[in-house]
Amino acid sequence: GDSVTQMEGPVTLSEEAFLTINCTYTATGYPSLFWYVQYPGEGLQLLLKATKADDKGSNKGFEATYRKETTSFHLEKGSVQVSDSAVYFCALSDSGSARQLTFGSGTQLTVLP
Amino acid sequence: EAGVAQSPRYKIIEKRQSVAFWCNPISGHATLYWYQQILGQGPKLLIQFQNNGVVDDSQLPKDRFSAERLKGVDSTLKIQPAKLEDSAVYLCASSWGQGLTNTEAFFGQGTRLTVV
Repeated sequence: GDSVTQMEGPVTLSEEAFLTINCTYTATGYPSLFWYVQYPGEGLQLLLKATKADDKGSNKGFEATYRKETTSFHLEKGSVQVSDSAVYFCALSDSGSARQLTFGSGTQLTVLP
Repeated sequence: EAGVAQSPRYKIIEKRQSVAFWCNPISGHATLYWYQQILGQGPKLLIQFQNNGVVDDSQLPKDRFSAERLKGVDSTLKIQPAKLEDSAVYLCASSWGQGLTNTEAFFGQGTRLTVV
């Protein structure tokens, strides 16, 4: 079945540092790929998405590129802020009609001032 | 627009008791999902509804879990009897519907269940 493997955390960075959170996937067909973020005390929010190979999703300074050849969707940000501290989840949606989300285990990011 | 509403936010029960969670999706969203998120793990799908019909309940432990969406709007998830390993956050999500490209799932804040 479909699966998502995500870089284990926690990750602690200083403000303005470069961020990479690795994500690889296993899926049949052509899934859509997502990054969700969960801020403390809040629900999951969609951060960015990509629906086909070589697409780049971007939002709030975060970027991720759908790499079919390496089955990866790594999350990057050039300069993190304290407000980026949250749990980040990589996920895929199957290419069939059900469109269920399969999530990775999440990566806790803490950004220190 | 209003988001996905869930209640209660927190619940503590003893093992073997029963519990129910409620979810009201975003207005007009045909698809509703229940996910279970155990501490330190990603959410796992329990059941998916399309309107008032079940699309997928293959991951739902049917000996103790049940869910319904009778009028195709709000939904209830029930656990009876609860076990210690059911301690988790139960997330409800909704989206416009199947077969649409780029359809986004919107999540509620979840119900944190502790079974003692």
